[in-house]
Amino acid sequence: DIQMTQSPSSLSASVGDRVTITCRASQDISNYLNWYQQKPGKAPKLLIYDASHLQTGVPSRFSGSGSGTDFTFTINSLQPEDIATYYCQQYDNVPITFGQGTRLDIK
Amino acid sequence: EVQLLESGGGLVQPGGSLRLSCEASGFTFSSFAMSWVRQAPGKGLEWVSVISGSGASTAYADSVKGRFTVSRDPSSKTMYLQMNSLRGDDTAVYYCAKDWGMAAAGSVLDVWGQGTTVTVS
Repeated sequence: DIQMTQSPSSLSASVGDRVTITCRASQDISNYLNWYQQKPGKAPKLLIYDASHLQTGVPSRFSGSGSGTDFTFTINSLQPEDIATYYCQQYDNVPITFGQGTRLDIK
Repeated sequence: EVQLLESGGGLVQPGGSLRLSCEASGFTFSSFAMSWVRQAPGKGLEWVSVISGSGASTAYADSVKGRFTVSRDPSSKTMYLQMNSLRGDDTAVYYCAKDWGMAAAGSVLDVWGQGTTVTVS
């Protein structure tokens, strides 16, 4: 199975900050990488697909980049409603696998 | 509006069985693969199973292989997860999710249900 490692596991940032989360795959997954947001008590929501494509309706302050084994997820100008846990997910191989999550808090 | 609604969760004893349902609406059900993803209390997301749009192909996580069976009924636009020989580590919120593609490979999960809770104790 492909292992997905996110860092950091948690972080605190201030409103307006730029926030970056990284995700590393245990092998080359091309751009088969998605990012999800999960707010407390809610289902995950797709934000970014294929490493860098913004899902319809998602605010443009969210972005993604990378290919191969190293990927980055960025929130430009953090907003209070962005408090959530963020997960990366690969689909290059079955089973699809998720990172362990990054919990984001507001300072 | 595309929606998924899970049901069937509950409390079950170890070794018992449970069947989860996921009713879909707002899209052509047979054109898309569907997955089950679970989340143990306080833990991350774990993919469980996928079924192709036609229902002919399936895949499972090693942790549930041989105990869980996924199926779908196009007439009722419902996907099922039959869970047998349940264990304590199966305790989780179970989400169904719509896949972008049709194949039983799992890809982009663009719509998720609200989840149903399974407690094995």
